[in-house]
Amino acid sequence: DSGVTQTPKHLITATGQRVTLRCSPRSGDLSVYWYQQSLDQGLQFLIQYYNGEERAKGNILERFSAQQFPDLHSELNLSSLELGDSALYFCASSVRRASSYNEQFFGPGTRLTVL
Amino acid sequence: AQKVTQAQTEISVVEKEDVTLDCVYETRDTTYYLFWYKQPPSGELVFLIRRNSFDEQNEISGRYSWNFQKSTSSFNFTITASQVVDSAVYFCALSEALNNAGNMLTFGGGTRLMVKP
Repeated sequence: DSGVTQTPKHLITATGQRVTLRCSPRSGDLSVYWYQQSLDQGLQFLIQYYNGEERAKGNILERFSAQQFPDLHSELNLSSLELGDSALYFCASSVRRASSYNEQFFGPGTRLTVL
Repeated sequence: AQKVTQAQTEISVVEKEDVTLDCVYETRDTTYYLFWYKQPPSGELVFLIRRNSFDEQNEISGRYSWNFQKSTSSFNFTITASQVVDSAVYFCALSEALNNAGNMLTFGGGTRLMVKP
């Protein structure tokens, strides 16, 4: 158990819909990262938040957005869903307040299926 | 731009064989970090190791060992005496120099390792 939690574990929805994926980082971790794993694109970085602020953006579509709340949990919002958005979405956290290491610890993922 | 290449998409071995998973990376940074993660059939990503670019010492942890060679931009992973439980997809990843906020990982395409009894 990495200490990172993600809900829901599975999500099945229809094209055009909007969903929200939730992530709670390990206790003390300030950074949250979102990654997408799909068959054709592999594992890709989407976006990073650090202590409530957006820190870095990767290949994230404009239909996708994220935020990190004061309690450090994060949500990834996916809207106008398309079939190609079906993937495993991982959240990872890193940077404990008193640590110099940067290992990212991953949650179990949310498997999104768009029908 | 960073890039990680895992040329072996799939490897199949018989239990107790040794197996090496290759990883080649590209970066313009002089300070960077390399990682290996394991993704078992259950789907989660399990951290295995982190290596700094300024530390070329090889590392051994039980049946696992890692060979970092800056001259060839490679960070290979060897499993000695493989076991069925080692069956998984293994990802090599690269991160630029650390800052207080951490940094994104660039992953290779993964190598699926199948260990047969």
